[in-house]
Amino acid sequence: NAGVMQNPRHLVRRRGQEARLRCSPMKGHSHVYWYRQLPEEGLKFMVYLQKENIIDESGMPKERFSAEFPKEGPSILRIQQVVRGDSAAYFCASSLGQGVTEAFFGQGTRLTVV
Amino acid sequence: GENVEQHPSTLSVQEGDSAVIKCTYSDSASNYFPWYKQELGKRPQLIIDIRSNVGEKKDQRIAVTLNKTAKHFSLHITETQPEDSAVYFCAAGFISGNTPLVFGKGTRLSVIA
Repeated sequence: NAGVMQNPRHLVRRRGQEARLRCSPMKGHSHVYWYRQLPEEGLKFMVYLQKENIIDESGMPKERFSAEFPKEGPSILRIQQVVRGDSAAYFCASSLGQGVTEAFFGQGTRLTVV
Repeated sequence: GENVEQHPSTLSVQEGDSAVIKCTYSDSASNYFPWYKQELGKRPQLIIDIRSNVGEKKDQRIAVTLNKTAKHFSLHITETQPEDSAVYFCAAGFISGNTPLVFGKGTRLSVIA
C-alpha cells in the first residue's frame, strides 16, 4: 500500500507564474488536508477536502489559492500568480475518516519562487 | 478555533538523558492528540497519539501524558539517542468530525553524543 504521494518534490516558478501541486492520498483514504510549512515554522493548515467537496478552507488565502479533490485523480493545490512569499514546503496529508483520525503525510512539495 | 502552544522551541540533551516537550491547547472539546517527528527534509511522521479517554500512553522509549483539566499534554522520550534528533510537532483535533488537526510550532530536539 503506497503512502501519500506528492509531486513534484521540488518546483521552481518565476513570479507571476502558476504552481500546481498534486497529492494522491493513501489507498482508501477519502480525506485530504493541505498544510504549508515555512522555514523554522510549524505546519499551518490551509484546506481540508473530501472527494468533490471542500470541507474547510479557512486557512487558505482568499486570492490566488484554490484546491480541489475530484472524484477521479489526485488532489490539486493551485497557486496563481506566485509571489516570493509563497516559497515554502507544502505538505498533503490523508486520513481514512469515518472516525479514524490518523493522518499520514506525503513527502511534500518544496516551492521556490524566483 | 483551536490554538496549540508548544514549548520549548529548541531542546538539547545529552545522549541517554530524557527529553520532555509540552503542549497546551485551547479547545476543551478536542479529544485527539498526536505527535509527529520530522527529520530534516522529510515528511512529518506520526510517532504516537493519545485520546482523551486515557491519561497516559507508552510505546517503548516514548510516552505521552494528557491532563484534560489543565488542557496540556506532553511527550517524554527516555534514553535519548542521536537518531531521536528531529523536529517534533504536537497537534490537537477530533477523533470524528470534519475538523483538521491544529499543530504546534514544533520543537527542535538535538541529542548530543
